[in-house]
Amino acid sequence: GDSVTQMEGPVTLSEEAFLTINCTYTATGYPSLFWYVQYPGEGLQLLLKATKADDKGSNKGFEATYRKETTSFHLEKGSVQVSDSAVYFCALSGDTGGFKTIFGAGTRLFVKA
Amino acid sequence: KAGVTQTPRYLIKTRGQQVTLSCSPISGHRSVSWYQQTPGQGLQFLFEYFSETQRNKGNFPGRFSGRQFSNSRSEMNVSTLELGDSALYLCASSSEGRAKNIQYFGAGTRLSVL
Repeated sequence: GDSVTQMEGPVTLSEEAFLTINCTYTATGYPSLFWYVQYPGEGLQLLLKATKADDKGSNKGFEATYRKETTSFHLEKGSVQVSDSAVYFCALSGDTGGFKTIFGAGTRLFVKA
Repeated sequence: KAGVTQTPRYLIKTRGQQVTLSCSPISGHRSVSWYQQTPGQGLQFLFEYFSETQRNKGNFPGRFSGRQFSNSRSEMNVSTLELGDSALYLCASSSEGRAKNIQYFGAGTRLSVL
């Protein structure tokens, strides 16, 4: 079945450091790919998405490119801030087998001032 | 537009009891999904309802059930609670059309089973 694998955390960075969180997926067909973010005490919220190969999603300085050849959707940010500390989830959703979103395990990010 | 609203935010129950959680989706959204989030298992899909019908189901025992009303509000019920049911339960709604795969989450209901 469909699945998402993302790098284990926690990831600890200093402010202004470069961030990469790796995400790979297994899916049939052509799923849409997402990154969601969860701040403490809140539900998840969509950070960015890409719906087809080579699409780049971007938001708030975060970017991820849909790479079908490597089945990857890595999240990057050039300069992180303390306020980026949160848990990041990679996810996929496709039309095969009905509408369902599959989430990765989540990667906790700590950014130190 | 108001976001997804889940009630209550916190619940404490004892083993063997049952519990009902409520979710009001974003106005106009007809799909509601439920997830269980725990530190050990991460985010696990429970079920999805669309227009009062269960459209998808995860791998949870029959103690977990849900329903959706004609106004798209949804409830999930857990019967005969076990300690392992302690978790954050998240509800998400989505629209049909081009944005149908985007989930909008509520803040969750944190259930503690003692």
